[in-house]
Amino acid sequence: ILNVEQSPQSLHVQEGDSTNFTCSFPSSNFYALHWYRWETAKSPEALFVMTLNGDEKKKGRISATLNTKEGYSYLYIKGSQPEDSATYLCASALLTGGGNKLTFGTGTQLKVEL
Amino acid sequence: EADIYQTPRYLVIGTGKKITLECSQTMGHDKMYWYQQDPGMELHLIHYSYGVNSTEKGDLSSESTVSRIRTEHFPLTLESARPSHTSQYLCASTLAGNYNEQFFGPGTRLTVL
Repeated sequence: ILNVEQSPQSLHVQEGDSTNFTCSFPSSNFYALHWYRWETAKSPEALFVMTLNGDEKKKGRISATLNTKEGYSYLYIKGSQPEDSATYLCASALLTGGGNKLTFGTGTQLKVEL
Repeated sequence: EADIYQTPRYLVIGTGKKITLECSQTMGHDKMYWYQQDPGMELHLIHYSYGVNSTEKGDLSSESTVSRIRTEHFPLTLESARPSHTSQYLCASTLAGNYNEQFFGPGTRLTVL
């Protein structure tokens, strides 16, 4: 994989459903994997920065896992709420970029309905 | 909430005009970035700076230029705007060191007629 790919592109769920998204990234030269949440009319906001294979991070109802050997990360939302509606972006940082230059995926747009 | 500001938020301008998009942060971050996003597409890095008087081009070629004369200020300039420059431009900053999250501004949505 040369680019960062996210799936699905969009998702509609009902309030209370749990959901998950996938981010695939280049596994060679890996440095870090970032997740951001971008609500409409707001700025993207960091959720997690993950670096180690097998990493699991959690913030409230949102958690993420990382597999650097196969180049994927999952983001999970437990018991989705309408306020979780946003675009979720992942971004890969490579060692050759000094870990600071991010390559973003196109995002997964989540809509949580009542 | 991150203390990073962009002005203007929206700009509609005619072809050939010179424009400057402003970005300022009050967090004392050394590293700053400009991203461009076309509708339905990824954020692409077009410029970055690791400190005062340091600027580099990003992965996506851009006709814009940037300057970093003060730590808190990272303006982007287009000398002669064209319709192909119509896009959303986001500024971000981060602390020195590695593994740090980026803080984003609200973006400038530019339309060139």
